[in-house]
Amino acid sequence: DAMVIQNPRYQVTQFGKPVTLSCSQTLNHNVMYWYQQKSSQAPKLLFHYYDKDFNNEADTPDNFQSRRPNTSFCFLDIRSPGLGDAAMYLCATDEGRSGGYTFGSGTRLTVV
Amino acid sequence: GDSVTQMEGPVTLSEEAFLTINCTYTATGYPSLFWYVQYPGEGLQLLLKATKADDKGSNKGFEATYRKETTSFHLEKGSVQVSDSAVYFCALMETGGSEKLVFGKGTKLTVNP
Repeated sequence: DAMVIQNPRYQVTQFGKPVTLSCSQTLNHNVMYWYQQKSSQAPKLLFHYYDKDFNNEADTPDNFQSRRPNTSFCFLDIRSPGLGDAAMYLCATDEGRSGGYTFGSGTRLTVV
Repeated sequence: GDSVTQMEGPVTLSEEAFLTINCTYTATGYPSLFWYVQYPGEGLQLLLKATKADDKGSNKGFEATYRKETTSFHLEKGSVQVSDSAVYFCALMETGGSEKLVFGKGTKLTVNP
C-alpha cells in the first residue's frame, strides 16, 4: 500500500563520500519534491521536479544534486557530505501542485 | 515573501483536554492552507486543508477554519488522545504564485494519560 517509498530508512556515510538517496512512487504524480529536515525544524525545500522540469531552490548548496529518470523514481545525490548535512531527507509527491503532498517516511542520514 | 507563524511549543496536555494550536500567515494572494502531522520517526501526513476563506477543514476530530480577516488557520480538537502526540505543521501554498508549500516551524504536542 505504500505510495511513496524511500530507501534506505537509515543511511550512514563517511564525511566526503558521495551518497545517493532514492524515492519511488506508485501514484503517478507529476511533481516530486526533496526536503531536508533537521532536528526540531520545519522541512526545507531543496528542489522539485514538475515532470522532467527541474527547479532548484536558490539557497540549495551545489553539493546537492537530483535526478529523475522517469515518473516513478527520483534520486538525491550528495556529492561530498559534510557533518552539517546530517538530517532527515523527505521525498514528497503532488498531483499538479495541489498542496496535498504525499510524503515518504524519510531517510535519516548520519555523516561520520 | 509568504510565511507561516505557529505558536511556540512544546505543548503538553492531559488526555481529553481541548487543543488549540495557533497559526497565522502572510501571503500576497489567496493561498490554500494546510495542517500536516509528523509522528516520531515518520514523514509528514496531510491532516486537513482549506482552499478558500471561511472553509473548514476537518479530519480525525481535528478542525481548522480559514479566516481571511485575521489571516489565521488555528488547529483545534475537542478531546485529545495519547495517540495525537506528534509535531503539527501549518503550511500554505499560494495558487498561481510559487506553488510550493511553505511550512511553519512546527508545534510539538505531547498528550499524557
